[in-house]
Amino acid sequence: DAGVTQSPTHLIKTRGQQVTLRCSPKSGHDTVSWYQQALGQGPQFIFQYYEEEERQRGNFPDRFSGHQFPNYSSELNVNALLLGDSALYLCASSPSPWGSPLHFGNGTRLTVT
Amino acid sequence: DAKTTQPPSMDCAEGRAANLPCNHSTISGNEYVYWYRQIHSQGPQYIIHGLKNNETNEMASLIITEDRKSSTLILPHATLRDTAVYYCIVRSLGGSYIPTFGRGTSLIVHP
Repeated sequence: DAGVTQSPTHLIKTRGQQVTLRCSPKSGHDTVSWYQQALGQGPQFIFQYYEEEERQRGNFPDRFSGHQFPNYSSELNVNALLLGDSALYLCASSPSPWGSPLHFGNGTRLTVT
Repeated sequence: DAKTTQPPSMDCAEGRAANLPCNHSTISGNEYVYWYRQIHSQGPQYIIHGLKNNETNEMASLIITEDRKSSTLILPHATLRDTAVYYCIVRSLGGSYIPTFGRGTSLIVHP
């Protein structure tokens, strides 16, 4: 049973570019959340998707957007990249939006130069 | 959601019990305590959660004080592979579950 898978594992982009990160949830999970983790910090919540809609959003600008597909997989898009967007981006899935423990992937390391 | 306070770092000898404290003095009656850990270069991993009773699973034990203002995660026989950052989170089960992670406790298990 595959857990949460994320791609790519590493990515280098230039300031001003756009990036798309992908996530496949654990089998049986229909809810996907995205987190940003800067070096030395805990993960910070970006947004959550359930039933192909954004259900909750953290304190991130509109440059951060997402999508969930009918098969529950998800994408995170970041436009107009800034140097400060360099971080580990984590995807987490759960069997529902309500209270279930999260299962995390190992993340995508994004470096913006 | 209630905030949590954890020591930034701890160390433990291999084979000994690791006791990781967490303060959550503003916790409300319907809020659970969750613990995750993050091993270097991996995503966080769920460990255990509880409401007011002590809980145990194959990974750890969770002891919650009677007033629920603090808790302790116990790794009974720590190994080198338990070296990780441990996060204590408080969250109610009503509505959507969005855990807020602080900086956690960096546990180093030494030989």
